[in-house]
Amino acid sequence: GENVEQHPSTLSVQEGDSAVIKCTYSDSASNYFPWYKQELGKGPQLIIDIRSNVGEKKDQRIAVTLNKTAKHFSLHITETQPEDSAVYFCAASTEYGNKLVFGAGTILRVKS
Amino acid sequence: EAGVAQSPRYKIIEKRQSVAFWCNPISGHATLYWYQQILGQGPKLLIQFQNNGVVDDSQLPKDRFSAERLKGVDSTLKIQPAKLEDSAVYLCASSLDRVEQFFGPGTRLTVL
Repeated sequence: GENVEQHPSTLSVQEGDSAVIKCTYSDSASNYFPWYKQELGKGPQLIIDIRSNVGEKKDQRIAVTLNKTAKHFSLHITETQPEDSAVYFCAASTEYGNKLVFGAGTILRVKS
Repeated sequence: EAGVAQSPRYKIIEKRQSVAFWCNPISGHATLYWYQQILGQGPKLLIQFQNNGVVDDSQLPKDRFSAERLKGVDSTLKIQPAKLEDSAVYLCASSLDRVEQFFGPGTRLTVL
């Protein structure tokens, strides 16, 4: 089955700096790659997603890139703010959202 | 628009006891998911419903876990008997298009 690895497990950045989180997946049939943000005591919230027919997608300060050949995808957050501090999860699916397999998560701390 | 509702938010039980969690999805969402999130890990899919039918329960430990979604709306997840390793946050999510999933706040279960 699908396996998703996520790095780093923790990331500390200074406010205003950029943050990059990387994930690799094992199943070449995966076609949907969402990123979720989870704040303390809350459920994960979708922040951006990308499908296998697109190499890059951007939404304001957040961007995701996908390299299907290498089977890895990354989340880029620019101009980080304290409210970006949370746990971020990547996920992959071979059925456009069904059977999502999550990475282990990255704790992002933005220091002001 | 109201989000996914879950109750209770916290539950503490002794091992070998039984417990039930309740989920009310976003109105109109036909797809409902239950996930188990162990501390420090990403969510793991337990079961997926489409209306009141089961789409995927391949990772549900059926000897002790059961779930139902009567009338295709609310859902309950039951554990009987509970084990220490069942301590986790149980997340419910719903989806309108089987792609974007909206998560509830979760129920934190502690088994002593």
